Amino acid sequence: DAKTTQPNSMESNEEEPVHLPCNHSTISGTDYIHWYRQLPSQGPEYVIHGLTSNVNNRMASLAIAEDRKSSTLILHRATLRDAAVYYCILRDVVQGAQKLVFGQGTRLTINP
Amino acid sequence: NAGVTQTPKFQVLKTGQSMTLQCAQDMNHNSMYWYRQDPGMGLRLIYYSASEGTTDKGEVPNGYNVSRLNKREFSLRLESAAPSQTSVYFCASSHPVRRSEQFFGPGTRLTVL
Repeated sequence: DAKTTQPNSMESNEEEPVHLPCNHSTISGTDYIHWYRQLPSQGPEYVIHGLTSNVNNRMASLAIAEDRKSSTLILHRATLRDAAVYYCILRDVVQGAQKLVFGQGTRLTINP
Repeated sequence: NAGVTQTPKFQVLKTGQSMTLQCAQDMNHNSMYWYRQDPGMGLRLIYYSASEGTTDKGEVPNGYNVSRLNKREFSLRLESAAPSQTSVYFCASSHPVRRSEQFFGPGTRLTVL
């Protein structure tokens, strides 16, 4: 399974943008880049995903490097509710099922 | 629309006891998954079911069995619980065509003494 590398922790201030980096140098051409986050005492929740182009949704933006060996999750205006562990995952699909390999993720702390 | 539900929320077992964790989804998803999460770690896939009638091993299947009872339900069984199986267990499901995301349940916190 392809691996990703993320910083263990990051800190930011409320209402400021946050850029969460992820390296995935062994990514294959068909791997989608997925981001999930896990709030305290909850199951993970999907944030965003992409293949080659940058993507935006109501939660965040995903910037993917041209060589696809790295990506950055962007939270445009962090709130206290964004404090969570963020996981960058390369999604594998087997017989229609998604196989997600979670690393340790980045623990994001938001200061008021 | 409840999404993914799991029962029980908490459970304490003694070593050697058995139990079944239940999971159900009401989103008409084909694929379902069981993960475990140890303290300070990411989730690890135990078993998954790509569609009704099929199950496959994930990263850490030893000590577990699963049953895909029907399209809605996917259970995880511990036949002889060990302290190493103390963990939080998450069930998830995903749409067969969109394949864009997995939806996770709230988790079951299991302690094996």
